[in-house]
Amino acid sequence: EVQLVESGGGLVKPGGSLRLSCAASGFTFSSYSMNWVRQVPGKGLEWVSSISSSSSYIYYADSVKGRFTISRDNAKNSLYLQMNSLRAEDTAVYYCARVVVPAADVGWFDPWGQGTLVTVSS
Amino acid sequence: EIVLTQSPGTLSLSPGERATLSCRASQSVTSSYLAWYQQKPGQAPRLLIYGASSRATGIPDRFSGSGSGTDFTLTISRLEPEDFAVYYCQQYGSSLRTFGQGTKVEIK
Repeated sequence: EVQLVESGGGLVKPGGSLRLSCAASGFTFSSYSMNWVRQVPGKGLEWVSSISSSSSYIYYADSVKGRFTISRDNAKNSLYLQMNSLRAEDTAVYYCARVVVPAADVGWFDPWGQGTLVTVSS
Repeated sequence: EIVLTQSPGTLSLSPGERATLSCRASQSVTSSYLAWYQQKPGQAPRLLIYGASSRATGIPDRFSGSGSGTDFTLTISRLEPEDFAVYYCQQYGSSLRTFGQGTKVEIK
């Protein structure tokens, strides 16, 4: 079964840092581009960042550029999101999601993890 | 950045009725690289449609997608009780992927 499981969320003070992880199983992780998407509770979806299978292509939403860093460890079947200089508006559920087509830089997202909640508050 | 605008914000319908959801892009979406997702409370989004009109695996044929360029539509031919949810469109043709703000389909 293809599965994505996020972890690392929690409560952090404004200006603080947090590292999210996404553990992948059930597929050849190294062949797929991956993404982070966030959702403020009760609000819509916001794409955060994408990374290609070999980490050659990395993209960020303007709202997080310069503060967040996406990375992956294909040997550990894991995706990461390092979040620095956190703000209250970064409070959200963070989902990891796989691009469906292997070796493709662009594509639709499926599956998604269950999400991990990040709360930025003093 | 391509901005996606969904309308209406909320659609109030009864089971058995037809739902038509719109997604308009601020510029042409490359190669109809547009997807639709369904999200229910407390759940992750679920892929419905990709490539503007292709149904994902296991999605009932009452769901259909159409459109190209800047105008796209998701149609649910006959609403079932489990279809009441929030629906999002997403373009994935540009390096900055974007989502629409969502349309809530609620029971009238």
